[in-house]
Amino acid sequence: EDKVVQSPLSLVVHEGDTVTLNCSYEVTNFRSLLWYKQEKKAPTFLFMLTSSGIEKKSGRLSSILDKKELFSILNITATQTGDSAVYLCAVEGTIQGAQKLVFGQGTRLTINP
Amino acid sequence: GAVVSQHPSRVICKSGTSVKIECRSLDFQATTMFWYRQFPKQSLMLMATSNEGSKATYEQGVEKDKFLINHASLTLSTLTVTSAHPEDSSFYICSARAIQPGLASYNEQFFGPGTRLTVL
Repeated sequence: EDKVVQSPLSLVVHEGDTVTLNCSYEVTNFRSLLWYKQEKKAPTFLFMLTSSGIEKKSGRLSSILDKKELFSILNITATQTGDSAVYLCAVEGTIQGAQKLVFGQGTRLTINP
Repeated sequence: GAVVSQHPSRVICKSGTSVKIECRSLDFQATTMFWYRQFPKQSLMLMATSNEGSKATYEQGVEKDKFLINHASLTLSTLTVTSAHPEDSSFYICSARAIQPGLASYNEQFFGPGTRLTVL
């Protein structure tokens, strides 16, 4: 069964801390792994990863993929209260002939001032 | 670019009524649109894949007759929740996949803002 598992499910830290969010997956015919940030509405795109070992960075956020271990991490440094959100990991695979996104449960991140 | 809209953003209806949700790609063409459902504090679950000009493909456990999907053009897909019941109350999100190579990430899905359905 195709699945994406995120950990932790919930995380509360103080402003300025660094956090690491984890995503492991088992998805048929892997195409890409995506990270999204979801506040109150639909997810907003953060990163798409297709190759192992190549770190993608955007400001204080960075992410890397390990296709051998079927694992990705999302790092956020110097966290701010505006980083509070649910972070979703999704893996796109070709499943039964169709390209589909399989989402993890999400990590609810709370940054306290 | 790559904007997806949904209408309405919120709907409250009585049990037994049907509700139609529209998903539009505003500045690109999408041969494929996806419909997701998200219950509170849960992740997005794919309901169906909608291909322009053909029948939608539903995920296991999703009732075709209850969730009618129509993808009449390259920029519009609709989801109709027929005879809605309180257990259908959820956040419905669509996404659209761009078909033009070179548009940002070719295979990327662009998400709409979602529609919150409450059935009383």
